[in-house]
Amino acid sequence: DAGVTQSPTHLIKTRGQQVTLRCSPKSGHDTVSWYQQALGQGPQFIFQYYEEEERQRGNFPDRFSGHQFPNYSSELNVNALLLGDSALYLCASSLVGSAETQYFGPGTRLLVL
Amino acid sequence: AQSVTQLDSQVPVFEEAPVELRCNYSSSVSVYLFWYVQYPNQGLQLLLKYLSGSTLVKGINGFEAEFNKSQTSFHLRKPSVHISDTAEYFCAAVAGGYQKVTFGTGTKLQVIP
Repeated sequence: DAGVTQSPTHLIKTRGQQVTLRCSPKSGHDTVSWYQQALGQGPQFIFQYYEEEERQRGNFPDRFSGHQFPNYSSELNVNALLLGDSALYLCASSLVGSAETQYFGPGTRLLVL
Repeated sequence: AQSVTQLDSQVPVFEEAPVELRCNYSSSVSVYLFWYVQYPNQGLQLLLKYLSGSTLVKGINGFEAEFNKSQTSFHLRKPSVHISDTAEYFCAAVAGGYQKVTFGTGTKLQVIP
């Protein structure tokens, strides 16, 4: 049983560019959440998707957007990249209404130069 | 709103000695509590979780944690640490009915040979 997978593992971009990160949830899970973990910090909640809609959002600007597909996989898009967007981006999947089932992927490390 | 506080940013301990990593939470509603471990350049791995029932929770790798409602604490303990336990540990909380996970800032455990 494959767990949560994320791609790519590493990414380097320059300021002002746009980036798309991808996540495939654990088999049987229908909810995907995204987190940003800056260096030396704990993960911060970006948003959560269920039934292809954004259900909850953390304190992140509109430059951060996402999408969920019918197969429950998800994308995180960040526009107009800033140096401060450099971080490890974690995806977590779960069953709706069951945060205790949440599993995390290995993350995508984004470096903005 | 909920918050999680990890009182120690770094904890050095000698190999085979006991360790306690402290975590306090605040929430106006009931919460689920978690401890995650993160090894260098990796994602988050669930160590243990408290949902309800017995306040003493046992997890993987010999770790355990005790939920104390009156002190709003969920400290992580291990009676004898190994070099391989060197990692960063995150305490996290989810308020009942919501799926947004709030993380503490992490505690780096350094096991000294």
